[in-house]
Amino acid sequence: EDQVTQSPEALRLQEGESSSLNCSYTVSGLRGLFWYRQDPGKGPEFLFTLYSAGEEKEKERLKATLTKKESFLHITAPKPEDSATYLCAVCPIGGSTLGRLYFGRGTQLTVWP
Amino acid sequence: NAGVTQTPKFRILKIGQSMTLQCAQDMNHNYMYWYRQDPGMGLKLIYYSVGAGITDKGEVPNGYNVSRSTTEDFPLRLELAAPSQTSVYFCASTGQGGEQYFGPGTRLTVT
Repeated sequence: EDQVTQSPEALRLQEGESSSLNCSYTVSGLRGLFWYRQDPGKGPEFLFTLYSAGEEKEKERLKATLTKKESFLHITAPKPEDSATYLCAVCPIGGSTLGRLYFGRGTQLTVWP
Repeated sequence: NAGVTQTPKFRILKIGQSMTLQCAQDMNHNYMYWYRQDPGMGLKLIYYSVGAGITDKGEVPNGYNVSRSTTEDFPLRLELAAPSQTSVYFCASTGQGGEQYFGPGTRLTVT
């Protein structure tokens, strides 16, 4: 049973066309929610950590928000260099593996000029 | 800091061969992890370690072994490689805020 679900699986945007990626999670207690960017052939690159509902983090054209059930990654006026797969992961409170992250399958974003 | 490094970048194995994937980090992190990533799937945890001398199984440990003799190094051993182990393998370590830092990955093909 997936604890983290990301949607859509793939998203194509024209340059400048803002949109949002969704990450919904089902863990009973959340220690933290993490967003990563992954370029083809590379390891995931850490973007943001969110710890509590209502929290927001920003970096350039990206803004991550968190509610009790989901997180959004808002992309404002994207550029082609924002094309990548965006991964969401949660760290639940408790569990058998300290610090373990549960990853979603990712949203593959393509931004065309 | 080099961060998390992995070797080799690519490897082709024949069925039944063995190999060790190397992982090292220079951030003095105690927690380290091995994941595999298959197309269209999320990252799956193979093994993890909370410090030198301490390791434990993750979600998909069968066919793999690990050791952690130092804080810096966390090698992953594949014994008797099988086609099902064809995947991309990532090593990661955890920073102070719980975020994980990943290496560049090893792409392994078993034929």
